[in-house]
Amino acid sequence: NAGVTQTPKFRILKIGQSMTLQCTQDMNHNYMYWYRQDPGMGLKLIYYSVGAGITDKGEVPNGYNVSRSTTEDFPLRLELAAPSQTSVYFCASSYSSGNGPGDQPQHFGDGTRLSIL
Amino acid sequence: AQSVTQPDIHITVSEGASLELRCNYSYGATPYLFWYVQSPGQGLQLLLKYFSGDTLVQGIKGFEAEFKRSQSSFNLRKPSVHWSDAAEYFCAVGVRSGGGADGLTFGKGTHLIIQP
Repeated sequence: NAGVTQTPKFRILKIGQSMTLQCTQDMNHNYMYWYRQDPGMGLKLIYYSVGAGITDKGEVPNGYNVSRSTTEDFPLRLELAAPSQTSVYFCASSYSSGNGPGDQPQHFGDGTRLSIL
Repeated sequence: AQSVTQPDIHITVSEGASLELRCNYSYGATPYLFWYVQSPGQGLQLLLKYFSGDTLVQGIKGFEAEFKRSQSSFNLRKPSVHWSDAAEYFCAVGVRSGGGADGLTFGKGTHLIIQP
């Protein structure tokens, strides 16, 4: 059972380039999330999805886009990379209890370390 | 909106000594509470969770946490730490959302250093 898988693990981009961070989960979770982690700042929610075809903004969505065409996959897109987007990105998923995702633990991938130069 | 405070950025503990990591939350009702651990280069792993009932919860790796409503706290404890416990620890709060999906709010983390 792989859980949450993120690719790539590391990437260096030039300013203005674009890329897609991939995330897939095999636990049939309907909730999925993208976070960024900066030193000393904890995790901040970028986007989340409550199911295929449904996405919404989190705390720091500017500069990112997401899509959710299947239950398993939740890619994160950077269109015009900026130095401020240098960070470690984590994808997570959780089970829906019907009360929203706040009462369920989230399962995390190992992260993508992204540097924008 | 809910918030989480982890007052200690770094904590150093000798191997074999006891450990307590502090977590305070702000929320108008009883939240759902979680502790996660992050080893270097890894994602977050769930240590334990509190939903309701017994305020002392047991988790993996010998950790426990106690929910104290009067103090809005959910401190993590371990009676005897091992060198492998060196990691970053995150407290998180979840709330019952009214149709939204805000998920969890994380504290900024406490970096645990184990001295030999």
